[in-house]
Amino acid sequence: NAGVTQTPKFQVLKTGQSMTLQCAQDMNHEYMSWYRQDPGMGLRLIHYSVGAGITDQGEVPNGYNVSRSTTEDFPLRLLSAAPSQTSVYFCASMRDRRSYEQYFGPGTRLTVT
Amino acid sequence: QQPVQSPQAVILREGEDAVINCSSSKALYSVHWYRQKHGEAPVFLMILLKGGEQKGHEKISASFNEKKQQSSLYLTASQLSYSGTYFCGTAYGSGNTGKLIFGQGTTLQVKP
Repeated sequence: NAGVTQTPKFQVLKTGQSMTLQCAQDMNHEYMSWYRQDPGMGLRLIHYSVGAGITDQGEVPNGYNVSRSTTEDFPLRLLSAAPSQTSVYFCASMRDRRSYEQYFGPGTRLTVT
Repeated sequence: QQPVQSPQAVILREGEDAVINCSSSKALYSVHWYRQKHGEAPVFLMILLKGGEQKGHEKISASFNEKKQQSSLYLTASQLSYSGTYFCGTAYGSGNTGKLIFGQGTTLQVKP
């Protein structure tokens, strides 16, 4: 199993551009989440999903969209990039509600200029 | 709503012990502990559930005080490999939704 994979690893955007961060898992996990990590702020939840077709907002959802059309994929879309969205983005998955361990992907480092 | 971790940073010598605390202002359903090494993804250490159940790695222990809404992570006889940033993640409500709110992290450095 590859586990949780994220692409790209690095990305530089200009203010106002849009893009999609990809996240995929091959463990048949029901739950998936997106976090952003900024220095001194810890991990902040952006959006999460408890199954295909079901998503909900986390702590900092503004400026981001998600959809979950399959169990495997959970892409994160930046609608109009802003410098405040410069961060490291982590995707995570969890097997189901009886499991508690979240498996994190390697992260995407995004810089918005 | 973000839990507060203390201390922010700890420096230890190999073999010394450390305690990392996590406090919440809201009633907790569970507390999850993760460790992140520099440049890597966070890795699950353990979870403490309301009611006393614990699941996690054998060499790490933790406590959960439901009345005080606090959890503490105990690192005993520290090794160089323990270095990293430790995060507590908190869940609220009555069930496991996968929605975690993380603290700001505690950086632990273990020196030879």
